Amino acid sequence: DGGITQSPKYLFRKEGQNVTLSCEQNLNHDAMYWYRQDPGQGLRLIYYSQIVNDFQKGDIAEGYSVSREKKESFPLTVTSAQKNPTAFYLCATGRTEKETQYFGPGTRLLVL
Amino acid sequence: AQRVTQPEKLLSVFKGAPVELKCNYSYSGSPELFWYVQYSRQRLQLLLRHISRESIKGFTADLNKGETSFHLKKPFAQEEDSAMYYCALRGLYNFNKFYFGSGTKLNVKP
Repeated sequence: DGGITQSPKYLFRKEGQNVTLSCEQNLNHDAMYWYRQDPGQGLRLIYYSQIVNDFQKGDIAEGYSVSREKKESFPLTVTSAQKNPTAFYLCATGRTEKETQYFGPGTRLLVL
Repeated sequence: AQRVTQPEKLLSVFKGAPVELKCNYSYSGSPELFWYVQYSRQRLQLLLRHISRESIKGFTADLNKGETSFHLKKPFAQEEDSAMYYCALRGLYNFNKFYFGSGTKLNVKP
């Protein structure tokens, strides 16, 4: 999982602003995921992608958007429509349907 | 509905004591279950998966379909076991979806 990088480590968002969180991997994994981690709530799936140029909504996709133009990259945009964006965001990758997931170090998003 | 429940937010034990972190699930098929661990300032990482039937760092977990449980156990806890533990379930209709419990923080006291 050293091959998954997330940037920045901390991100501050102003009211009404869109911000983008980066996730890059060099593991050659097909699947990529975005989770939101809140205290006492575990991990909740925002979006996932099984292949380039394709992605699906997870359980809490409202207020978020993603793209998968390259196998290595799966950026997450937190839009102004997300009213409670303060959280820890985790990116993960997976090799195939039957494999487990590998996690990045995370990005903490704070609202100013 | 597919759901994972970890009833304990915090579990404190003394070093050398047995530890059991509880995980219950709801699932309408043959589940595939995992335990993940997150040590302080480290990434979330896989600890073990039930299909491997393995013991990692002295931890084991047995799937009990009758009780729909997948509790994580270790006979003698060590201080370095202190971490956040998450139980996870792979989706039935979509293998790419994982359902995570809310996590249990294990604190092993000296």
